[in-house]
Amino acid sequence: DARVTQTPRHKVTEMGQEVTMRCQPILGHNTVFWYRQTMMQGLELLAYFRNRAPLDDSGMPKDRFSAEMPDATLATLKIQPSEPRDSAVYFCASGLPGPSNQPQHFGDGTRLSIL
Amino acid sequence: DAKTTQPPSMDCAEGRAANLPCNHSTISGNEYVYWYRQIHSQGPQYIIHGLKNNETNEMASLIITEDRKSSTLILPHATLRDTAVYYCIVRVSANDYKLSFGAGTTVTVRA
Repeated sequence: DARVTQTPRHKVTEMGQEVTMRCQPILGHNTVFWYRQTMMQGLELLAYFRNRAPLDDSGMPKDRFSAEMPDATLATLKIQPSEPRDSAVYFCASGLPGPSNQPQHFGDGTRLSIL
Repeated sequence: DAKTTQPPSMDCAEGRAANLPCNHSTISGNEYVYWYRQIHSQGPQYIIHGLKNNETNEMASLIITEDRKSSTLILPHATLRDTAVYYCIVRVSANDYKLSFGAGTTVTVRA
């Protein structure tokens, strides 16, 4: 089965460090999402792209977070500088919207801990 | 997107059918009902979706009431591996492809 691949699976770093999370969407999917999950907030959408262009990043703190798609096979989410409150599980999902309403598929996430 | 209401938790016996309810009384005509589940430490997993008609796949069945104000996800023969948080999501099909996750229902399958 095709899968969304996220790396790294776990990341522990100190406050102030730059963090980069990567996502390889399912081949052929043109829409990529970044979600964040915490115990307090649950699953929340940070940003999403279609055909590599950002469509909505209203859920993302702009001062420290940035999301890009350098090419169709790679999406990145960066935090600089990182803060303890950024500790969460970050999920990437991909999909192919259209008349058939195919669903999004999620990766297994990057578990981020900022000390 | 319409808001959904799900019970916070439910238990079911292994081997029995699990019926998970979801209310979406403000659903509009072009909104689909999606079900996902999240097993501990994994990403959300798509289960099934539908618009008006009942749907069935290898994982589950989705029963949508005629007025579309509620739906039920049926896991026909629950196993211990079905223990997870189940999310019912309503989404407009066209250009808005986002998913808004609520708290879901924590389903515990007991031996």
